[in-house]
Amino acid sequence: SAVISQKPSRDICQRGTSLTIQCQVDSQVTMMFWYRQQPGQSLTLIATANQGSEATYESGFVIDKFPISRPNLTFSTLTVSNMSPEDSSIYLCSVDDTGGLAEAFFGQGTRLTVV
Amino acid sequence: GNSVTQMEGPVTLSEEAFLTINCTYTATGYPSLFWYVQYPGEGLQLLLKATKADDKGSNKGFEATYRKETTSFHLEKGSVQVSDSAVYFCALTGSGGYNKLIFGAGTRLAVHP
Repeated sequence: SAVISQKPSRDICQRGTSLTIQCQVDSQVTMMFWYRQQPGQSLTLIATANQGSEATYESGFVIDKFPISRPNLTFSTLTVSNMSPEDSSIYLCSVDDTGGLAEAFFGQGTRLTVV
Repeated sequence: GNSVTQMEGPVTLSEEAFLTINCTYTATGYPSLFWYVQYPGEGLQLLLKATKADDKGSNKGFEATYRKETTSFHLEKGSVQVSDSAVYFCALTGSGGYNKLIFGAGTRLAVHP
């Protein structure tokens, strides 16, 4: 299993500003994943982050809006840039199980409100 | 690509009632199937999973069976409790393997005493 810590847990931000969300894992993992959960909706994968390479973005998400860093095997950040109210969501970090259990572990999420 | 269709909510039940939340999927290959639960104000937790056809996942009184012939993975519990009130998400692995999950829309369950 993996324990994932996300910071901040919540924030209220002004439109036009940027917020960086941190994700720390208690073990080394190859890939980390960032999801968005818009109000009342399901989770959508934003991007996959590998250490030492650029993140791979899903359709509809771009690096300029959601830059991601992955400096080592236990840490990643997601930045939500030039925010608008439509960016108000819960952002979740996720990692694979490394013990072959075929399951994903999620952080507690960051609840972002843009005003 | 792979996709999940999940029963819409909200579902409102009395304590000790029987619960079914329907989930069907379309997929190429042989995906793994999951149910995740999100309690109020918390992150996602894995509730149960099944990795191949006819597998039954179970946890905390919840069960779901991987039915390849009907492409379904319905969640059931024989007697719900107030503490089961949460949002339940059906999910499957995308074409890239278990590291990319595709989620259903989620079903909100409210259990009343």
